[in-house]
Amino acid sequence: SQTIHQWPATLVQPVGSPLSLECTVEGTSNPNLYWYRQAAGRGLQLLFYSVGIGQISSEVPQNLSASRPQDRQFILSSKKLLLSDSGFYLCAWSVGRPQAFFGQGTRLTVV
Amino acid sequence: KQEVTQIPAALSVPEGENLVLNCSFTDSAIYNLQWFRQDPGKGLTSLLLIQSSQREQTSGRLNASLDKSSGRSTLYIAASQPGDSATYLCAVMSNYGQNFVFGPGTRLSVLP
Repeated sequence: SQTIHQWPATLVQPVGSPLSLECTVEGTSNPNLYWYRQAAGRGLQLLFYSVGIGQISSEVPQNLSASRPQDRQFILSSKKLLLSDSGFYLCAWSVGRPQAFFGQGTRLTVV
Repeated sequence: KQEVTQIPAALSVPEGENLVLNCSFTDSAIYNLQWFRQDPGKGLTSLLLIQSSQREQTSGRLNASLDKSSGRSTLYIAASQPGDSATYLCAVMSNYGQNFVFGPGTRLSVLP
């Protein structure tokens, strides 16, 4: 069966520090991969999505970047975190365009 | 640009009640619509997926309907239980996109 792993579960980072969040999917090939952010009191905002290795689409300009070095690995990064980067980050996958499946999320607090 | 709204924003009901959550979307050219549940501090759990050609889907006490022409979906929860307390989100995928657009969610509290 397919599973998605996202880590770490929680993270507290100082302003200006780098960030790397990792998401991996098991049990499927060539998934579409997504990074979403959920800020306090707001809905889910799509940050990046990828339909294949090295193919990244950015939905909003921001302080973050994404990479897909392997078929089932999606990484969210920042060189220098801002306070406004705080939030709940969720990775998701789908195959084709049916159902989406989500990881358990990473709670990022920038201090 | 697709926009998704959900009403009410929050709902509190006594245990045993039947309830309806509403989701509206502005662009009816959707591929599918999905309902999720999110517990506090957790990821999203998929509840029901409705393809654009379908009118409803059922899973246990949950029933989701879709009316594409009016841009609406409803999630019906029968005989609510305290364990149903969570935030419920709907998301649509458009015919011409690869990503999901989410509503802001409805926070449900079922009181024992």
